[in-house]
Amino acid sequence: DAEITQSPRHKITETGRQVTLACHQTWNHNNMFWYRQDLGHGLRLIHYSYGVHDTNKGEVSDGYSVSRSNTEDLPLTLESAASSQTSVYFCASRRGTSGDNEQFFGPGTRLTVL
Amino acid sequence: AQSVTQPDIHITVSEGASLELRCNYSYGATPYLFWYVQSPGQGLQLLLKYFSGDTLVQGIKGFEAEFKRSQSSFNLRKPSVHWSDAAEYFCAVGSGGGNKLTFGTGTQLKVEL
Repeated sequence: DAEITQSPRHKITETGRQVTLACHQTWNHNNMFWYRQDLGHGLRLIHYSYGVHDTNKGEVSDGYSVSRSNTEDLPLTLESAASSQTSVYFCASRRGTSGDNEQFFGPGTRLTVL
Repeated sequence: AQSVTQPDIHITVSEGASLELRCNYSYGATPYLFWYVQSPGQGLQLLLKYFSGDTLVQGIKGFEAEFKRSQSSFNLRKPSVHWSDAAEYFCAVGSGGGNKLTFGTGTQLKVEL
């Protein structure tokens, strides 16, 4: 079955280190998204991509970057991890831009920055 | 900018009782509206969505929601709650053809047996 996976599921890192979170989907969806989830804030959009080599900033993009070299993957990089980036990160994908397509979410990555 | 308000952070209901979770949105155009459910340690699962047409939308697991443009609301309902419905529920509004989602802060549902 097609799916969306995230790795690692849990990660602990230190302030200042570079961290990359992986997201892989097998639906061949054009659109992919990264969100972070924090208490009291719900999910907030970090970056998104509408296709290969396309990336866009979301609501809370500072300190994060993404790249899209193929359809299946959208890795999220924290250039220099900060304690404020401790959060649960969700990747999602969607087939197209037509309104009737839902976003499918991965299982999440819990990141702790010490 | 679009926004979503879920005024109830926590709700507790007894099993078998009816449920209504509130959602108010702010969006300048015709909204794309969604309800997602998140079980502990899991990702989000779509319950239902509204894009156009009938304002009463049926979803999975016996849930329904009603879009009321005059009240800018999209409340989620279930006539009889099951213990397995205990989870966190998120309302979201979509722009860009429904592609970019703005989420509310969520409502945590507890079901008493």
